[in-house]
Amino acid sequence: QQQVKQSPQSLIVQKGGIPIINCAYENTAFDYFPWYQQFPGKGPALLIAIRPDVSEKKEGRFTISFNKSAKQFSLHIMDSQPGDSATYFCAARGRGTSYGKLTFGQGTILTVHP
Amino acid sequence: GAVVSQHPSWVICKSGTSVKIECRSLDFQATTMFWYRQFPKQSLMLMATSNEGSKATYEQGVEKDKFLINHASLTLSTLTVTSAHPEDSSFYICSARDPGRVHEQYFGPGTRLTVT
Repeated sequence: QQQVKQSPQSLIVQKGGIPIINCAYENTAFDYFPWYQQFPGKGPALLIAIRPDVSEKKEGRFTISFNKSAKQFSLHIMDSQPGDSATYFCAARGRGTSYGKLTFGQGTILTVHP
Repeated sequence: GAVVSQHPSWVICKSGTSVKIECRSLDFQATTMFWYRQFPKQSLMLMATSNEGSKATYEQGVEKDKFLINHASLTLSTLTVTSAHPEDSSFYICSARDPGRVHEQYFGPGTRLTVT
C-alpha cells in the first residue's frame, strides 16, 4: 500500500518562528505533492503544491523543499503567526491507474504562540 | 479560487435511517469527485472516487451497498449512508478535481454526521 509518512505529529513554536514539517513517501508512483491546511470543523484548504522535477517552491510565507532522490519533502512556514495554528497535511497524488487519488500523511498539529 | 460546497454541514439521524450528503462544485465542472472520511484528530481516508456518468470506484474495505455514491452531473455528487449505525458517525469530506487548474483537488467544508 502506498504510504506517506509525516512528522512531527505536533509542533509548537513562538510567533515569528519557522516551523518545519516533513514528509516521506515510499515509492515513485506519485507525481504531485500538495500541502493542505485544515482548521477544526472545516475541510482542508490547498496551501501550496510541488512537482517532483522542482526542488523548491515558494508562495508567500510558505516554502516546499523537495528531495526526489531521498523521496522526502517538507513545508517551511516563515514568520509564523498565531493564525497559522492549524493541522497541516502533506499529500501525494497517484499516477497511472491511481491517477488523481491523494494519499495523505498523518497530519501535524501546529500551534503558534503569540 | 475554486469553490466546493457540501450540504448539509451537519446532520443527526437515528440508527437504521439513511442520510444523503451533497457535494457541489460551484464555479467549475468536475468530472471526478472524491469522498473522504475523517475521524477526530486523524487523517483523511479516501472512501471512493466518483466519476460523472459512471459507477463509483470504492477503496478496499468500503462497503458499496452502505455508502451509495451518485455523480449525476458535472457539478454534483451525492453520498448516501444507508442504514446508518453509530459507528458511521464521522466527518465526511468531498473534493472535486478541477481539470482547468492542473488537476488540483479542492475540498468542501465537510459534513458532520452523528448517528444516535
